[in-house]
Amino acid sequence: EPEVTQTPSHQVTQMGQEVILRCVPISNHLYFYWYRQILGQKVEFLVSFYNNEISEKSEIFDDQFSVERPDGSNFTLKIRSTKLEDSAMYFCASSDRPDSPLHFGNGTRLTVT
Amino acid sequence: GEDVEQSLFLSVREGDSSVINCTYTDSSSTYLYWYKQEPGAGLQLLTYIFSNMDMKQDQRLTVLLNKKDKHLSLRIADTQTGDSAIYFCAERDTGRRALTFGSGTRLQVQP
Repeated sequence: EPEVTQTPSHQVTQMGQEVILRCVPISNHLYFYWYRQILGQKVEFLVSFYNNEISEKSEIFDDQFSVERPDGSNFTLKIRSTKLEDSAMYFCASSDRPDSPLHFGNGTRLTVT
Repeated sequence: GEDVEQSLFLSVREGDSSVINCTYTDSSSTYLYWYKQEPGAGLQLLTYIFSNMDMKQDQRLTVLLNKKDKHLSLRIADTQTGDSAIYFCAERDTGRRALTFGSGTRLQVQP
């Protein structure tokens, strides 16, 4: 069964550094998403992306964050000037239609020290 | 804003049925989902139901939706130790892309 893949599985970075989290969505999917889960808290929506532009974003997704589809297969989340509170599990997801269920990757655990 | 609530923990014996409950506040919820998360893994889609349905069955899984009470449940028949995981309820509002998740219910299956 096709799946969403995320790399790396664990990223450790120092406060103030920039990180790029990478995702390869399912190949025929056109809608892409990022979510995050801070330890012990709910899974939170960050952003959705379609046709090379952001279609919806949450209050969390401020100027510190950006997304990009640099080529036909990758979808990235960039976090600039990381803070301790950015430590979380970041999940990428994709769907083939706007109303289809989301398929999630295994996540990238980001630790900011 | 939308809110989704779940009980935090459920313990059952192997072979019993498990029922995981979820309540939501959004009247415009169109789709409701159940995801499973095993330790160290991502969110695995288990099943979903459209808001115009009352029930959906998929092998050992039965989803019941009570729209009047805004209550969703997931029943797992003949629960196995491999079903031990965290189960997340999520809802999607009409016209939105974002899912709103509950806190997750940790299901522990005792042998």
